[in-house]
Amino acid sequence: DAGVIQSPRHEVTEMGQEVTLRCKPISGHDYLFWYRQTMMRGLELLIYFNNNVPIDDSGMPEDRFSAKMPNASFSTLKIQPSEPRDSAVYFCASSSGTSGTEVYNEQFFGPGTRLTVL
Amino acid sequence: GQNIDQPTEMTATEGAIVQINCTYQTSGFNGLFWYQQHAGEAPTFLSYNVLDGLEEKGRFSSFLSRSKGYSYLLLKELQMKDSASYLCAVHDYKLSFGAGTTVTVRA
Repeated sequence: DAGVIQSPRHEVTEMGQEVTLRCKPISGHDYLFWYRQTMMRGLELLIYFNNNVPIDDSGMPEDRFSAKMPNASFSTLKIQPSEPRDSAVYFCASSSGTSGTEVYNEQFFGPGTRLTVL
Repeated sequence: GQNIDQPTEMTATEGAIVQINCTYQTSGFNGLFWYQQHAGEAPTFLSYNVLDGLEEKGRFSSFLSRSKGYSYLLLKELQMKDSASYLCAVHDYKLSFGAGTTVTVRA
């Protein structure tokens, strides 16, 4: 398996523009996570899905952020409009844990998307 | 809310032992994780503790005391490739991460 695939790997955009980050989880995994990592705030869980359904989006910073998972093999994280403080590395991870805590010790991370908003 | 503390940096010599401490105060507890993250790369899972005690996996061991809100990650027989950031994470109702400890291994 190719692992978790994220695109683009790097994105540079201007403030106010819409940004869409993409993720393809490992085939057969039914949990998908979106994380954000910055020097100031560290690694933060933004949202996670189970069987394409959003389960917990309490980490999504504000209404400018939205995430979708239209099918088992694709998810997007959208920022509209983007702001300089959104600059970070965004990771997608997937797992096939049955439930609860197990999903976190079975998760595999993608390489990340480094977003820079000017 | 969650409060997870770990030292910012640690330096050790190749072949030595280093212990990274993590203290936490969370509203609930369903398990504690340690992840390793090399610079510019994604985190990878190292260990998981849900009961008090020591879990050993090769050169790495992790300890948990739930009553004290305390864990440590022990890295033995340090190698240069162990230079990385080590993240402590607590699962209460979701997974929350500490800021990470950067370990530098010197020859």
